[in-house]
Parts: sequence; C-alpha cells; structure tokens
Amino acid sequence: EVQLLESGGGLVQPGGSLRLSCAASGFTFRDEAMSWVRQAPGKGLEWVSRVSGSSSYTYYTDSVKGRFTTSRDNTKNTLDLQMSSLRAEDTAVYYCVKGGDGPGVFDHWGQGTLVTVSS
Amino acid sequence: DIQMTQSPSTLSASVGDRVTITCRASQSVDIWLAWYQQMPGKAPNLLIYRASHLASGVPSRFSGSGSGTEFTLTISSLQPDDFATYYCQQYLSNWYTFGQGTKVEIK
Repeated sequence: EVQLLESGGGLVQPGGSLRLSCAASGFTFRDEAMSWVRQAPGKGLEWVSRVSGSSSYTYYTDSVKGRFTTSRDNTKNTLDLQMSSLRAEDTAVYYCVKGGDGPGVFDHWGQGTLVTVSS
Repeated sequence: DIQMTQSPSTLSASVGDRVTITCRASQSVDIWLAWYQQMPGKAPNLLIYRASHLASGVPSRFSGSGSGTEFTLTISSLQPDDFATYYCQQYLSNWYTFGQGTKVEIK
C-alpha cells in the first residue's frame, strides 16, 4: 500500500523559512517523479513543484521560483520542500503527491501539512 | 501557462441525476488531462487520467471525454458519496495547472 506522510508544517513569520518532509513507502520511490501541491484555505489546488526520480530535473510554479527548493533522498525514500522568504500567500495545506501514469498524474496523495505564514 | 477553466463553479443536483462538468484549456493539451474528486477536509483522489481512462478503484458511473481544449466529466447517476468538489488538471506542459473547481451540492 502506497503511503505518503508529510511533516514539518506550522506557524512561521513572514520572511521566515520552513522545511517540509514527506516519507514515502509502498512503492519503488526512485522510479517515480514526485510533486508538491498546495491548497490555500477555502481555495483550489495549485501545483508547486516537481522532481524527477533521479533528481536530474526540477520544476517550480512561478510564484515560488527562487524561494522554494524541492529535493529527494532515494536512499531514505524521502521528499523535501525547503521554503524561504515565506509570504502570507504561501499559507496553505501542502500535499506530497506521487506521479502515476506519467509524472503529471497524481495517483496518490499524502494527508497534507498546514503551513501558516503570519506575524 | 496553460489556463484551465471549469464550468459551472457550483452545481446543485439530486441523487440519481446525470451530472456533467466541463473543463476548457486555453490551448490544446491533447489528451493530457486528469480529473480529481475532493471531499471536505480530505486530500484529492484521482478519478480519470488521459482524459478518459478510469483510475483504479473508481466506480464506472464516472467517465471522462474530450481532447484538445474541451473536456467533460460525467457522473451517470449521482450517489450520496459524490457530493464533493471536482478539479480538472492539465499535464501537457511541465508546469501543471488545475481548474478552479466545481462544487457538486445537494439540491
């Protein structure tokens, strides 16, 4: 059974940093692209970033480029999202997501971790 | 970026109704479109990929169609578990985008 367990969310001040982690199990982690998708309170879904299975490429949505970094450790089956220069508009539930039929099909989601950016 | 627009934003329907949600892309995404269902307070769940392929474990009352810029998600006979918010998502480009969502409410 595929499991994705996020951690690291919490309250952070504007301009601060936070690191999210996702522990994956139940599939061959190194073979699958992984993404982060977020959802602001009461709003829709927004794709944030993607990393290939081998970490050879990463992609980011424009609003986080230069502030967020996605990485993975295939020896530990973990996915990370390092967030810096956080803004109020980054407040959201962040989901760790596994690619399925290609990297862009999100066939398994974590339960999400809430990041709140506020003073 | 490719913009995805869903209609309607909200839909009121009864159990047993046939429901159709439309998703339009700002440029062709070929068949690289997925649909997700999200229940309140829960993570989304994949329903459809490649525009018309049913994901594993998804009931057959769900179906998807379309290609290019216009797509539809159909629920043939709405069940109580289907009252939720539905999102389309394109994955043609490396920068994925979602529609704004369609909330299916009880009439």
